[in-house]
Amino acid sequence: EAAVTQSPRSKVAVTGGKVTLSCHQTNNHDYMYWYRQDTGHGLRLIHYSYVADSTEKGDIPDGYKASRPSQENFSLILELASLSQTAVYFCASSPRLGGQNTLYFGAGTRLSVL
Amino acid sequence: TQTVSQSDAHVTVFEGDSVELRCNYSYGGSIYLSWYIQHHGRGLQFLLKYYSGNPVVQGVNGFEAEFSKSDSSFHLRKASVHWSDSAVYFCAVSATSSGQKLVFGQGTILKVYL
Repeated sequence: EAAVTQSPRSKVAVTGGKVTLSCHQTNNHDYMYWYRQDTGHGLRLIHYSYVADSTEKGDIPDGYKASRPSQENFSLILELASLSQTAVYFCASSPRLGGQNTLYFGAGTRLSVL
Repeated sequence: TQTVSQSDAHVTVFEGDSVELRCNYSYGGSIYLSWYIQHHGRGLQFLLKYYSGNPVVQGVNGFEAEFSKSDSSFHLRKASVHWSDSAVYFCAVSATSSGQKLVFGQGTILKVYL
């Protein structure tokens, strides 16, 4: 069964520390995304990628970097974690053709920055 | 820039009732509209989407949505809800020119009482 797997499922980080959130998909999809979810704001797009070794900025990229070393893997990096980055982070994938604009989400990573 | 508005933060119904969750969007060009469901502690799951053709689209588990260009709306409906339909529902829009970047509404929490 096709799947998007995120790790870790939850993490507590200290302010100023580095955090890496990982995402692995077995959907054979070209596109991958990182969204964050905050209460009352729905989901907001941080970074996305159309192809391996290339990433694009989404709507709220400040404070985040992304890395897509292969089609299957997409990481979100917080170089200097801040309190405001406490949120739930979702990774998703979608096919380039034949089902485009249908996103398949992981279960999420709950990040708490203290 | 496309935007999505879900005017009802909370909707409460009893099992067997019908329900309509409202979604309005603003964008002047060609778009995809979709609905996703998020059960507590889980990732989002695709329900249905509209791009063109019949304005009423059928989704999983008896959900349907109707597109109205004149009202800029894409409301989600279900004729008879079950307690397991309790979840958060997100409407999303993506411009066909934006490369599958979805913009999500704030979400509507649906609670179904027995």
